[in-house]
Amino acid sequence: GAGVSQSPSNKVTEKGKDVELRCDPISGHTALYWYRQSLGQGLEFLIYFQGNSAPDKSGLPSDRFSAERTGGSVSTLTIQRTQQEDSAVYLCASSPETGTSGRIGGDTQYFGPGTRLTVL
Amino acid sequence: SQQGEEDPQALSIQEGENATMNCSYKTSINNLQWYRQNSGRGLVHLILIRSNEREKHSGRLRVTLDTSKKSSSLLITASRAADTASYFCATDAGNSGGSNYKLTFGKGTLLTVNP
Repeated sequence: GAGVSQSPSNKVTEKGKDVELRCDPISGHTALYWYRQSLGQGLEFLIYFQGNSAPDKSGLPSDRFSAERTGGSVSTLTIQRTQQEDSAVYLCASSPETGTSGRIGGDTQYFGPGTRLTVL
Repeated sequence: SQQGEEDPQALSIQEGENATMNCSYKTSINNLQWYRQNSGRGLVHLILIRSNEREKHSGRLRVTLDTSKKSSSLLITASRAADTASYFCATDAGNSGGSNYKLTFGKGTLLTVNP
């Protein structure tokens, strides 16, 4: 079946502009995650959505970053007034509400191909 | 500080050889996962090992977990040029009071398999 998709695949923007990154999770997956990966680094957790629960925004680096998830499916990550340090690959992942363990979360996350953001 | 840290940072081997990568972590976990990433883009899940498991196999992959040492290893046997990629371990927060969905990734091991 279809995997996680993200758009655009690449985005070049000027410092100070706003950008929107989109994620389409796997159909039926209720959990959705955003991560950021800077050059040569591991992944940095940004935000987590689970069903109708309040999202965990604890990883967002500043108030310029926000995300929403409409209808429990598609998610948009918005970065306002972009800065050069925002340049990174932004990865989205989704997972089923409960995995084989029966617990919410804590199981395999399926990643999209990412959006490479370059802020000039 | 990093929850998961891979070692070595880079590994270069010949096709057919085995590759071993290690991961150390700091807090207790529910499970540990290994992911693979090609060309800095999307990650592919390889294998998940739970805290009550010590060893797991999947094809040419073998993962071990030692919770007493807070470490894991990933062994790729009979490596192929197509195995060239970055490999990351990821842990959840386990019983340390953190969420068990928030994965923490290390910086990865860059594996190069030479034909």
